[in-house]
Amino acid sequence: GQQVMQIPQYQHVQEGEDFTTYCNSSTTLSNIQWYKQRPGGHPVFLIQLVKSGEVKKQKRLTFQFGEAKKNSSLHITATQTTDVGTYFCAAKILRSNDYKLSFGAGTTVTVRA
Amino acid sequence: EPEVTQTPSHQVTQMGQEVILRCVPISNHLYFYWYRQILGQKVEFLVSFYNNEISEKSEIFDDQFSVERPDGSNFTLKIRSTKLEDSAMYFCASTRAAAYEQYFGPGTRLTVT
Repeated sequence: GQQVMQIPQYQHVQEGEDFTTYCNSSTTLSNIQWYKQRPGGHPVFLIQLVKSGEVKKQKRLTFQFGEAKKNSSLHITATQTTDVGTYFCAAKILRSNDYKLSFGAGTTVTVRA
Repeated sequence: EPEVTQTPSHQVTQMGQEVILRCVPISNHLYFYWYRQILGQKVEFLVSFYNNEISEKSEIFDDQFSVERPDGSNFTLKIRSTKLEDSAMYFCASTRAAAYEQYFGPGTRLTVT
């Protein structure tokens, strides 16, 4: 089936540094959503991107949707300990009648103080 | 703020037994979902439900699984004869429209012994 690939699987970051996680699909996506799951918690919606080349910011988080709508990225600046968790991208695949989200494997972020 | 609720938070059952996991979606939402997450792995789609019928299901959702919306508020997932490999966290989610953000419940941890 359709898959969304996410890299890296793990990201160990020094507090205060920046990092980026990437999400890639071989097919065109109608939209992409990002979720955060804290350790022991449930996925919480962060953002949805719909338009080609769209960029959205939430404080230190910058989300981008590729021009071809086949990839997306999440960039976090000045990482804090509160950023710890797993970040998932999730996509509804274009030209599908699916009413589901196809989740990437997630990037698990740990922060060194 | 409205939220999705799930009961129980933890269910322990013996292999071969039936279990019913319960969810109360957000009241004005129309689309309902079940996902599972095996420990340390990604979130996997099981089934989506709209207009009182299944709209999409994954290969994981075999004949042992069923869903029901018995009244105007509850949404249940039944596993008829549990297997060891059914041990996972099961998340319910709801959304007011397909491809909008999904709101996840806190999950039910199912342990099959």
